[in-house]
Amino acid sequence: KNQVEQSPQSLIILEGKNCTLQCNYTVSPFSNLRWYKQDTGRGPVSLTIMTFSENTKSNGRYTATLDADTKQSSLHITASQLSDSASYICVVSAEGKSSGDKLTFGTGTRLAVRP
Amino acid sequence: GAGVSQSPSNKVTEKGKDVELRCDPISGHTALYWYRQRLGQGLEFLIYFQGNSAPDKSGLPSDRFSAERTGESVSTLTIQRTQQEDSAVYLCASSFRDRPSTEAFFGQGTRLTVV
Repeated sequence: KNQVEQSPQSLIILEGKNCTLQCNYTVSPFSNLRWYKQDTGRGPVSLTIMTFSENTKSNGRYTATLDADTKQSSLHITASQLSDSASYICVVSAEGKSSGDKLTFGTGTRLAVRP
Repeated sequence: GAGVSQSPSNKVTEKGKDVELRCDPISGHTALYWYRQRLGQGLEFLIYFQGNSAPDKSGLPSDRFSAERTGESVSTLTIQRTQQEDSAVYLCASSFRDRPSTEAFFGQGTRLTVV
């Protein structure tokens, strides 16, 4: 069964500090991996997409990495801001499927940035 | 429209009543997903529509849940004889094509509370 596990479940950091969120997956065959940010009371919004051949991708203060061999991804947030407080969800897509379960969602990491 | 729109934003209903949730996808998006997100938990797949193909209903938790979509337009999710366990945020997402690399855009969700 396709699964996506994220850690930690929750995290509290001080404003200005860096942090790294982890995602492990068992989705096969792998197509791509996305990190979504979900603000409280809002729908998830895509931050980055990683395909099989990509190791690192940056979007401002967000940097995602992918190790397709170990099936791990990380999301690194640099110089955190209060607005980074949100849930970060790892979503992995399966190749070749045309059905609803082709997207496998992690349960998310809830990040709180304190002043 | 500019984004995926869901209505109502909030719904409080009495146990045993039926509710209908609405999703307006982004114009031209052929794929539409419904998810459920219980408090503090990850997204749970419910149902998927792709154009005029038969929907993937494999995620519907019981026969009290049903959904419709006409062509590539509005979708409605209906929950009959609601139970307290149905309390959750119901998220709708749409994407342009049925491709794993295509980003799914989410609505803001409908928060359903069954009392």
